[in-house]
Amino acid sequence: NAGVMQNPRHLVRRRGQEARLRCSPMKGHSHVYWYRQLPEEGLKFMVYLQKENIIDESGMPKERFSAEFPKEGPSILRIQQVVRGDSAAYFCASSPAVFTDTQYFGPGTRLTVL
Amino acid sequence: AQSVTQLGSHVSVSEGALVLLRCNYSSSVPPYLFWYVQYPNQGLQLLLKYTSAATLVKGINGFEAEFKKSETSFHLTKPSAHMRDAAEYFCAVSVGETSGSRLTFGEGTQLTVNP
Repeated sequence: NAGVMQNPRHLVRRRGQEARLRCSPMKGHSHVYWYRQLPEEGLKFMVYLQKENIIDESGMPKERFSAEFPKEGPSILRIQQVVRGDSAAYFCASSPAVFTDTQYFGPGTRLTVL
Repeated sequence: AQSVTQLGSHVSVSEGALVLLRCNYSSSVPPYLFWYVQYPNQGLQLLLKYTSAATLVKGINGFEAEFKKSETSFHLTKPSAHMRDAAEYFCAVSVGETSGSRLTFGEGTQLTVNP
């Protein structure tokens, strides 16, 4: 059973460009979480999605950031008009259900904004 | 709202010595607690989790943690450190809200193991 897949692993963008980060959850998992890890900091929750639904986006910046988890295909975290402060590691986690179920993390996408 | 405090951003031990990484939580409802380990440039791997069963939880790689409600603590221990344990360790809490089990992480503790 393959783990959580994220691509690309490394992404370099210039200020003002768009960044698209993809996450394929583990097989059988229908819950996806995105977290951001800024340099020298812990992980911060961004958004929680189920198939075709955003359940909790309370951790997402109000502007430029969006996320989706379509019926088919991976979950996408999209950052428009990137700024240097967006440089971070973005981790996706998946779980088969809510509450006590463990979240399994992907290897992350390291975004660098020049 | 829940929160996690990890005491000590850096801990250094000798190989073979006891490892103790501290975690205190704040939660208005019974929490679920987790310890994750992160090796350089990798994702997080679950070490162990507490979900209201036994208060002493055993995890992988010889680690264990004890849930102490009176102290609101969930410290991680390992009797004898190994070089391969050098990594960053994160404590996390979830309260299983209806919006999902989003994790709130501590700031992390970098563990160094000296030969």
